[in-house]
Amino acid sequence: NAGVTQTPKFQVLKTGQSMTLQCAQDMNHEYMSWYRQDPGMGLRLIHYSVGAGITDQGEVPNGYNVSRSTTEDFPLRLLSAAPSQTSVYFCASSPGTDTQYFGPGTRLTVL
Amino acid sequence: DQQVKQNSPSLSVQEGRISILNCDYTNSMFDYFLWYKKYPAEGPTFLISISSIKDKNEDGRFTVFLNKSAKHLSLHIVPSQPGDSAVYFCAAPTNDYKLSFGAGTTVTVRA
Repeated sequence: NAGVTQTPKFQVLKTGQSMTLQCAQDMNHEYMSWYRQDPGMGLRLIHYSVGAGITDQGEVPNGYNVSRSTTEDFPLRLLSAAPSQTSVYFCASSPGTDTQYFGPGTRLTVL
Repeated sequence: DQQVKQNSPSLSVQEGRISILNCDYTNSMFDYFLWYKKYPAEGPTFLISISSIKDKNEDGRFTVFLNKSAKHLSLHIVPSQPGDSAVYFCAAPTNDYKLSFGAGTTVTVRA
């Protein structure tokens, strides 16, 4: 049981490039979400999903897309990377309770 | 506008002494609160929670106190140990299992 896994661990992009951050969970959780962590701002919700085929925007969705074709996977796409998207990204899943289980994070730098 | 606030970015405490971390919230509809602990290069992990029907919840060395009239909660760690050095986030569920996080408090336990 691996829990929540994220790849890659580190990534450097140039402004304007696109990429996908991968997230997978093996706990059969319906609820999944993406957060970004920035200094002095805690974790802010980007997008979330309450089940396969259902996604919605969180607090800071601009510049990001998500899809949820399976219960297990919830990829986050950066369409055209900007320096403001330099951050640490965490994926989380939940069985439908208030407790969420987080992955180890992806540290992204946009030059 | 942050609904959950942690106004102390850092806390340094001697090993064996008490650590007190504070959290304030603005939404009186919040009825459940969670504390997460985060080590460097890892995702946050759930530590302890409290429901608004209680004013105290204890789990080993960790106790959370809730003062609903003041919209304030605190996390007490007694006694503090070097392994407690981490960032601690206070969080509250908003709706659809979304969590609103505080900015975090970095705790350093000195030997």
